[in-house]
Amino acid sequence: GAVVSQHPSWVICKSGTSVKIECRSLDFQATTMFWYRQFPKQSLMLMATSNEGSKATYEQGVEKDKFLINHASLTLSTLTVTSAHPEDSSFYICSALGLVQETQYFGPGTRLLVL
Amino acid sequence: GESVGLHLPTLSVQEGDNSIINCAYSNSASDYFIWYKQESGKGPQFIIDIRSNMDKRQGQRVTVLLNKTVKHLSLQIAATQPGDSAVYFCAENSLPPNSNSGYALNFGKGTSLLVTP
Repeated sequence: GAVVSQHPSWVICKSGTSVKIECRSLDFQATTMFWYRQFPKQSLMLMATSNEGSKATYEQGVEKDKFLINHASLTLSTLTVTSAHPEDSSFYICSALGLVQETQYFGPGTRLLVL
Repeated sequence: GESVGLHLPTLSVQEGDNSIINCAYSNSASDYFIWYKQESGKGPQFIIDIRSNMDKRQGQRVTVLLNKTVKHLSLQIAATQPGDSAVYFCAENSLPPNSNSGYALNFGKGTSLLVTP
């Protein structure tokens, strides 16, 4: 149980394009999902908290107009990186809160490379 | 500021030995701690958790110890196997200074565990 998937697993795009990443909870409903970014050999940095049916809450320093988050259902949250630039290249990981409301289950991550 | 950190960035152990990965935290209000394992190119995988009203919890081949007096957390892996090679993160549930996320996790920097045959 508590499986979280992400799609795509990796993406390469040109600078200036937008990229959408999907995060799904496969066998449970998640009212809250989180989006993290991880640079090589660094820890996970929380970008935003996604709540089903409401606006996402962004961490300080994260541009909400650049990283659009939509949590339209209890099993799906999407992160859209708008007008991506090379500095947005990173490993993006989502997580979902399980039945124990403090345990987060993570997706496999999406590697984004912006050329 | 509040932080979660790890004592050692890398740990090399021989297959079959026991591994101990340490973590220090500074937020005295932290009441929930989790250890995650992250293999290269993958998302973190839940290993074990512990609440602040406990000082020890055991899982399959893993034990987490919590010392609230010195704000120290450790993960012990018994009979370490090559498949245990990964980066291990401790995380605590508290509000980072600028966060509005009630259940957000504050991650430590990670310890890379290398198991040699």
